[in-house]
Amino acid sequence: DVKVTQSSRYLVKRTGEKVFLECVQDMDHENMFWYRQDPGLGLRLIYFSYDVKMKEKGDIPEGYSVSREKKERFSLILESASTNQTSMYLCASSPAGFVDTIYFGEGSWLTVV
Amino acid sequence: QKEVEQDPGPLSVPEGAIVSLNCTYSNSAFQYFMWYRQYSRKGPELLMYTYSSGNKEDGRFTAQVDKSSKYISLFIRDSQPSDSATYLCAMSINTGTASKLTFGTGTRLQVTL
Repeated sequence: DVKVTQSSRYLVKRTGEKVFLECVQDMDHENMFWYRQDPGLGLRLIYFSYDVKMKEKGDIPEGYSVSREKKERFSLILESASTNQTSMYLCASSPAGFVDTIYFGEGSWLTVV
Repeated sequence: QKEVEQDPGPLSVPEGAIVSLNCTYSNSAFQYFMWYRQYSRKGPELLMYTYSSGNKEDGRFTAQVDKSSKYISLFIRDSQPSDSATYLCAMSINTGTASKLTFGTGTRLQVTL
């Protein structure tokens, strides 16, 4: 089975802190994604990557950055956390050319106070 | 107007009922259509995907796509309490590298005993 692991399930951070959310997948997938999920807004794409060191902005990249130094690992960085970034963050991966079979992690619940 | 519209529910049905979940979309370029199931505080898991108009069946689940009407449905037969979850429709355009999924906001389903 495909396994997408998000190392932190629940985090509480202070406004202005730098936050790292880590994601690892074990299926040698080329594509990796970061989404956030909010009630009434659904899942919105923050960034995605289709290869090591490659990244592309999604629909809501402002306030976020990403890093993909190894194929299996995709990190989401909040440079200076703000309260409006309180949300559930979902990492996902898929094989190259098969974005229709995307696999999600369990999610990271971030609260910024 | 959102690209993908989905009634948020909640939808409450008795055990054994047939459930119909629906999404409409506005972008005729969408090629791939997916349904995800998401249990509370978990990541979405892929239920079904299709890339053509018509029906696709998998056990108690049937996915239906009508591209002419820009309308997709998921039917659940003999619904069970374990089907209680949020169901997300998703769609994508394959651009050749890492295509983006566009999600509906999800419909919350409650199957009661």
